[in-house]
Amino acid sequence: QQPVQSPQAVILREGEDAVINCSSSKALYSVHWYRQKHGEAPVFLMILLKGGEQKGHEKISASFNEKKQQSSLYLTASQLSYSGTYFCGTVANDYKLSFGAGTTVTVRA
Amino acid sequence: GAVVSQHPSWVICKSGTSVKIECRSLDFQATTMFWYRQFPKQSLMLMATSNEGSKATYEQGVEKDKFLINHASLTLSTLTVTSAHPEDSSFYICSASPGPFTYEQYFGPGTRLTVT
Repeated sequence: QQPVQSPQAVILREGEDAVINCSSSKALYSVHWYRQKHGEAPVFLMILLKGGEQKGHEKISASFNEKKQQSSLYLTASQLSYSGTYFCGTVANDYKLSFGAGTTVTVRA
Repeated sequence: GAVVSQHPSWVICKSGTSVKIECRSLDFQATTMFWYRQFPKQSLMLMATSNEGSKATYEQGVEKDKFLINHASLTLSTLTVTSAHPEDSSFYICSASPGPFTYEQYFGPGTRLTVT
């Protein structure tokens, strides 16, 4: 079963912040975040394992709430290069990576 | 590091012919390789999982005889679309992982297949 991502799309101006949410009805083992630009393959951003950890890469960070089976991706001080479609992928007890429908982020100057 | 190549990047073929797509992990050994299909503006749908030296595991609804997967080595997996039809036209993406599903997956650049 696919995780649910929200919002479907977000438009930002450079320097603004955004949060993308990902939730599952299943008990999760891990959450993966990817970014895909138009016509290209997804690029791995980070993986979060159960245990409620938080990770970050430059100004993009994520958290994983194991109790709620939710993860959030935080885009801080967004840059033009942050534009793209962000997918969360979740791994539950079936050990299969299921991708959400994606969140399209558009950062404007 | 963690580079995955895919070849060809695009292919146009006639209905009824077969097409082979190669996926290679260039700088790491991939215990597991995955094949996805993506339609425009949609998410990635897992087609099959392959481990080196063993038969691929196909997802429900994916025809094994139509989408032949061979994982010949720890760095190479191939997907052959047999007797392609226009409805097989899609963006096919492979990914490779150094471990099972709990490890990150590194994606190839994708192959755009158009069947005429």
